[in-house]
Amino acid sequence: AQTVTQSQPEMSVQEAETVTLSCTYDTSENNYYLFWYKQPPSRQMILVIRQEAYKQQNATENRFSVNFQKAAKSFSLKISDSQLGDTAMYFCAFLTPSGAGSYQLTFGKGTKLSVIP
Amino acid sequence: EAEVAQSPRYKITEKSQAVAFWCDPISGHATLYWYRQILGQGPELLVQFQDESVVDDSQLPKDRFSAERLKGVDSTLKIQPAELGDSAMYLCASSLSFWGPGTEAFFGQGTRLTVV
Repeated sequence: AQTVTQSQPEMSVQEAETVTLSCTYDTSENNYYLFWYKQPPSRQMILVIRQEAYKQQNATENRFSVNFQKAAKSFSLKISDSQLGDTAMYFCAFLTPSGAGSYQLTFGKGTKLSVIP
Repeated sequence: EAEVAQSPRYKITEKSQAVAFWCDPISGHATLYWYRQILGQGPELLVQFQDESVVDDSQLPKDRFSAERLKGVDSTLKIQPAELGDSAMYLCASSLSFWGPGTEAFFGQGTRLTVV
């Protein structure tokens, strides 16, 4: 079974500082996609960043970047210059083949990030 | 900007009653997901469609849950009868394709179900 582990249930960071959220996963597949999603309080889930497993270069989107270590099956999210609007639940997810021609998008349990003024 | 539409936003129902949720994905998105999210936890997949076909419903409690996407566009998730443990947020998401470019899923605002 495909699993995603986020070992930090809650984190906090001072405004303008940098924070890193951890994610590890388990799969026997060689090709897959990895995502970080953000879910602000009482608001819908939105995509933060996406990484393709066959690409060695780490993805970057403005203040958000990832550290993708394929051999270690690790996919951490770094948020630079944290802003109050970054306060949210962050979910790591990955998309892998799940047999019989289907694909499964699996989520971790999330990390609650609080940005402190 | 195109969005995934879900209704209702909130639903309160008594246990043993039937309840239904509706989802309209982004136009042109072939893949549609229904997830259940318990407060403070990550989403858990209930069912996945590719066009009108179910490609994964292994986690759907089929004795009480059903889902359909008859014309490969909008979708309905039904629970009958509802149980107290079904109280959760039900999220619908869609993606352009299930593999390759366009795999990122876009989520609706969800339906928060409370069973009393």
